[in-house]
Amino acid sequence: EVQLLESGGGLVQPGGSLRLSCAASGFTFSSYAMSWVRQAPGKGLEWVSAISGSGGSTYYADSVKGRFTISRDNSKNTLYLQMNSLRAEDTAVYYCAKDLQYCGSCAPEYFQHWGQGTLVTVSS
Amino acid sequence: EIVLTQSPATLSLSPGERATLSCRASQSVSSYLAWYQQKPGQAPRLLIYDASNRATGIPARFSGSGSGTDFTLTISSLEPEDFAVYYCQQRSNWPPAYTFGQGTKLEIK
Repeated sequence: EVQLLESGGGLVQPGGSLRLSCAASGFTFSSYAMSWVRQAPGKGLEWVSAISGSGGSTYYADSVKGRFTISRDNSKNTLYLQMNSLRAEDTAVYYCAKDLQYCGSCAPEYFQHWGQGTLVTVSS
Repeated sequence: EIVLTQSPATLSLSPGERATLSCRASQSVSSYLAWYQQKPGQAPRLLIYDASNRATGIPARFSGSGSGTDFTLTISSLEPEDFAVYYCQQRSNWPPAYTFGQGTKLEIK
């Protein structure tokens, strides 16, 4: 059974930093692209960033480019999101999501499995 | 950036009725479109991918259709557990980017 468990959320001041983690199990982690998708309170879904299975390719939404960094440690089956220069508008539940397709070098296609999410609140 | 517009914003129906949800793209996305269901306090669940393929474990009452700019999610006969928010999502090939529609809330009438 695929399991994705996010951690690292919390309250941070504007301009601060936070690092999210997503521990994965139940599948061959390095063979799947992974993504972060966020949802502001009471709002819709917004894709944030993605990384290929090998970690060699990364992709970002314009809203976070230059501030967030996605990475993965395939030896630890863990996905990360380093968030710097946080803004109030970054406040959201952050989900990690596993891609549908089995491909270690591909960008994601669709988000087949999701974690339960971790809440990030940016406020003074 | 491709914009996805979902309609209606809210759909009020009764169990047993047929639901038809729409998603329109601002430019062609071919068949690269998915549908997700989200219930309160839960993560989204993938229902349909590539416009018309049901994801693993999704009941046959859910079906998707369309290509290009106009897509439809149909629930043939609503069950009580189907009342939720539904999102469509597209993927752009290069550079890879993913956008969601604003959602359709399916509520019990």
